[in-house]
Amino acid sequence: EAQVTQNPRYLITVTGKKLTVTCSQNMNHEYMSWYRQDPGLGLRQIYYSMNVEVTDKGDVPEGYKVSRKEKRNFPLILESPSPNQTSLYFCASSPWDRKNTEAFFGQGTRLTVV
Amino acid sequence: GESVGLHLPTLSVQEGDNSIINCAYSNSASDYFIWYKQESGKGPQFIIDIRSNMDKRQGQRVTVLLNKTVKHLSLQIAATQPGDSAVYFCAEKKGTGRRALTFGSGTRLQVQP
Repeated sequence: EAQVTQNPRYLITVTGKKLTVTCSQNMNHEYMSWYRQDPGLGLRQIYYSMNVEVTDKGDVPEGYKVSRKEKRNFPLILESPSPNQTSLYFCASSPWDRKNTEAFFGQGTRLTVV
Repeated sequence: GESVGLHLPTLSVQEGDNSIINCAYSNSASDYFIWYKQESGKGPQFIIDIRSNMDKRQGQRVTVLLNKTVKHLSLQIAATQPGDSAVYFCAEKKGTGRRALTFGSGTRLQVQP
């Protein structure tokens, strides 16, 4: 089954404690990205990757890091989480194609930073 | 600046009625406009898209209309069903760069039995 898998689904952590949210896709997609979803703000892109070892900042990258060492994996790293990073996070993947508009999203990770 | 916005945060309709969800955009250079559906506890899911040089596109029970004159996009759902209850996002796509998908803030569709 074609899917994007995120882990964990839920996470409560304390300010300053480093954490990683994993994302894996099995569709051999080149393009992967991370979004955060906050009430009234829709989905905002954090980071994206066009292929292995190619990553770049999205609209709200501050406080986040990513890596793309393998095509299927795109982890999101919060080196020192803060309460304003409490949000619902989504990983997405899609083929690298100008005409392709369909992004496949994971189930989401609800992060609470206290 | 660029923006994709929605007119109403919540839309309530009766089961069996047609639903119309609206969206305004400001970036005339977008290549595609897309609608996504997000059910509770799930990630967004692609519904339908329309290329910027088209006015109308139909899918299964859904129709998307694009009015470039007033920069307006709408999603029409025929014979709305309880399973259509979700948050609907319009999005725009320009090229394949970092802003490949820019999302609006979403409209919650509530279907009353």
